[in-house]
Amino acid sequence: GIQVEQSPPDLILQEGANSTLRCNFSDSVNNLQWFHQNPWGQLINLFYIPSGTKQNGRLSATTVATERYSLLYISSSQTTDSGVYFCAGSLSYNTDKLIFGTGTRLQVFP
Amino acid sequence: DADVTQTPRNRITKTGKRIMLECSQTKGHDRMYWYRQDPGLGLRLIYYSFDVKDINKGEISDGYSVSRQAQAKFSLSLESAIPNQTALYFCATRSSYNEQFFGPGTRLTVL
Repeated sequence: GIQVEQSPPDLILQEGANSTLRCNFSDSVNNLQWFHQNPWGQLINLFYIPSGTKQNGRLSATTVATERYSLLYISSSQTTDSGVYFCAGSLSYNTDKLIFGTGTRLQVFP
Repeated sequence: DADVTQTPRNRITKTGKRIMLECSQTKGHDRMYWYRQDPGLGLRLIYYSFDVKDINKGEISDGYSVSRQAQAKFSLSLESAIPNQTALYFCATRSSYNEQFFGPGTRLTVL
């Protein structure tokens, strides 16, 4: 089956630092999304980005579907950015099944 | 107000008990989903529904059942809970352009 790998698996930053999280797919995916799972377990939608680039405040994301990867950029990180970041996508023939990546655990210290 | 709500948010139960997790949404989406997440892992699909008459099994449906009572309500049942069903459970909806939106999760512990 399709594999979704995220890197790095763990990231420790000091407040104010910038970071790039990567999501690689072993096969073509559609409907790519980025989520932030906060320390309380809630999944927050960050971006729906099947292709191209989007920005929302300090966060931005880029998906290059033809090369099977997506990037999430976090600038001027804050302690509230801590948590686990997941990318997820669906296959063209089954858009109901979201396939989640392995996650990147981010810890931001003051 | 939250668009996708789940009740209860936390539940501790004993092996063999029947338990129901409920999900409601105000987004007006037809498609609804139930996922489970185990510690350190991503989410896995349990069941999904296109409408009240269309229920589909996901990748890990054994030991679970669902009911779609209305467009806005989708419940997940564990007929006889077992300890390896201890997990974080999420309900989700899907928009017409295929973006999924998740509820706050239900943390279930089976002793």
